[in-house]
Amino acid sequence: QVQLVQSGAEVKKPGASVRVSCKASGYTFTGFFLHWVRQAPGQGLEWMGRINPNHGNTNYAQKFQGRVTMTRDTSVSTAYMDLSGLRSDDTAIYYCARVPDHGDYVEFWGQGTLVIVSS
Amino acid sequence: DIQMTQSPSTLSASLGDRVTITCRASQSISRWLAWYQQKPGQAPKVLIYQASNLQSGVPSRFSGSGSGTEFTLTITSLQPDDFATYYCLQYSSYMMYTFGQGTKLEIK
Repeated sequence: QVQLVQSGAEVKKPGASVRVSCKASGYTFTGFFLHWVRQAPGQGLEWMGRINPNHGNTNYAQKFQGRVTMTRDTSVSTAYMDLSGLRSDDTAIYYCARVPDHGDYVEFWGQGTLVIVSS
Repeated sequence: DIQMTQSPSTLSASLGDRVTITCRASQSISRWLAWYQQKPGQAPKVLIYQASNLQSGVPSRFSGSGSGTEFTLTITSLQPDDFATYYCLQYSSYMMYTFGQGTKLEIK
């Protein structure tokens, strides 16, 4: 079965960077786009971007252009999301999510990674 | 960018009620819309994809309709498990997906 297991919670200071990982199992890692979505405390879902694990091509939401980098390591079936220049309003749960076998919406979700930005 | 306007932001209803949530897109997205349910402390769960297709395993009391710029999620005969927050997601543009702001469905 499809599993996406994310790295643990992080506490960062303003201005720092964070890396969140998403290890995939139960399917061919390079076969399906992975997306990153975040959710600030008590707020809605916000799409950050996606990566094609096969080619490494990325699309980022305009809001995060220049601050976010999505990469992958196919040898360990893991995707990464790096966010730099952290601010307090980057405090959120960050999710990775995979598209279904047929379709472009997101179906399978990781458990989420809490990132807290605080001085 | 395609903007998604979801309404209402909060909805109070009783068990057994029929409720409707609406998402409007700032431009046509054909039928590239999905609906999600999220409960506190959990990741979202997809209910509907491509505007009206019921995700496997989702109860038939959930249904979706619409195309172009206006979409609805309808839940008939509300059950206790349905009280949650609902989001729409447009995936028309591969370069930019957009979620609606969410609708919290509360028990009246």
